[in-house]
Amino acid sequence: QQQVKQSPQSLIVQKGGISIINCAYENTAFDYFPWYQQFPGKGPALLIAIRPDVSEKKEGRFTISFNKSAKQFSLHIMDSQPGDSATYFCAALLWSNTGKLIFGQGTTLQVKP
Amino acid sequence: DTAVSQTPKYLVTQMGNDKSIKCEQNLGHDTMYWYKQDSKKFLKIMFSYNNKELIINETVPNRFSPKSPDKAHLNLHINSLELGDSAVYFCASSPPLAPDTQYFGPGTRLTVL
Repeated sequence: QQQVKQSPQSLIVQKGGISIINCAYENTAFDYFPWYQQFPGKGPALLIAIRPDVSEKKEGRFTISFNKSAKQFSLHIMDSQPGDSATYFCAALLWSNTGKLIFGQGTTLQVKP
Repeated sequence: DTAVSQTPKYLVTQMGNDKSIKCEQNLGHDTMYWYKQDSKKFLKIMFSYNNKELIINETVPNRFSPKSPDKAHLNLHINSLELGDSAVYFCASSPPLAPDTQYFGPGTRLTVL
């Protein structure tokens, strides 16, 4: 019940295309859903996040879509660029549980020029 | 620069040895975390401290012992290292009452031979 399942494991997209990464969760007590971006040799960095009372959040080319009834959320990267090539992690947080972040398995995105 | 820093960046050691990884943050945060990222890039929380008090203690072998001398530092000591301990260890911190915004350090790649 604490798991967050992420797919696909890897993704190749042409420059200018849309990258879509999906996540699903079981525990309805999760109350915050961030996405982290990790470049090789670096630590993860918070990219964008959403709360379950919102269905969509957009920041620049990055959009989170959230479907509370289906217990699913996804990251859309519009106009994907080679600089977006990285590993993306969805996560879920139990705020009341002292900030414990549960991460998905990660998606390695490659954007081809 | 304000950041979360870790030392060393790389650590290569023999099975059975004891080693420590140090973490420091100068962001003024009061909560710090240790995460383990395995060879498949899966990120899992190990511990968190809030103002030097242990908050999260996941199912981690008791060979791993975190120590927080003050709220800006969280060190990880590992006894009797095993091959399976090889991983990248990330330290992170978050602001007061904001576990949703975690800042990660650059990671320490531990290789046990």
